[in-house]
Amino acid sequence: SSELTQDPAVSVALGQTVRITCQGDSLRSYYASWYQQKPGQAPVLVIYGKNNRPSGIPDRFSGSSSGNTASLTITGAQAEDEADYYCNSRDSSGNYWVFGGGTKLTVL
Amino acid sequence: EVQLVESGGGLVQPGGSLRLSCAASGFTFSSYSMNWVRQAPGKGLEWVSYISSSSSTIYYADSVKGRFTISRDNAKNSLYLQMNSLRAEDTAVYYCARERKDYYGSGSYYYWFDPWGQGTLVTVSS
Repeated sequence: SSELTQDPAVSVALGQTVRITCQGDSLRSYYASWYQQKPGQAPVLVIYGKNNRPSGIPDRFSGSSSGNTASLTITGAQAEDEADYYCNSRDSSGNYWVFGGGTKLTVL
Repeated sequence: EVQLVESGGGLVQPGGSLRLSCAASGFTFSSYSMNWVRQAPGKGLEWVSYISSSSSTIYYADSVKGRFTISRDNAKNSLYLQMNSLRAEDTAVYYCARERKDYYGSGSYYYWFDPWGQGTLVTVSS
């Protein structure tokens, strides 16, 4: 099965813009979905498909994709956005799911 | 409200067995594929297993293949994970998650997991 690679940690100043990236061969075949996870809580979907937000997710969250790289952008990061973020897609074979290793976002 | 509630976790000795359950409510369970995802303490998310809506298609991660069995009972709106020959490295919070998909053209689909349950902790230790 293929892998998805994320930077382990990223920081952003309050109110600034941050981009979290995810790389992997499967992203050439499948769009990534993105999940936010806060300590002690289950993951929550924040972006899926080309750039779709579930209801209740602020519009400061957006997604994009190019080649083997997917990105999650937070425009105007808030303190409550501090969390772990995971990308996810189907494996290139379509028979597995793969997750990135996660990115810990710190809002300064 | 769409909801998934896991149960069945606990402490088990290496080599032992455990059966997890996931109770679904608020949606037509029989119309959706389902997945199990786990998270070891302090680690990232790891996909474990997939089952299609009719149970006709099942996939497993290599790490659990031959030891875990996924199943569902659409009449009871429930998903299961039978875990045998448990190892210390199976220690994790286990989440069930509904798979969603949406067609966007040229035979292609978006896929995503939503919602997730709150998780149930499985600890494998002597």
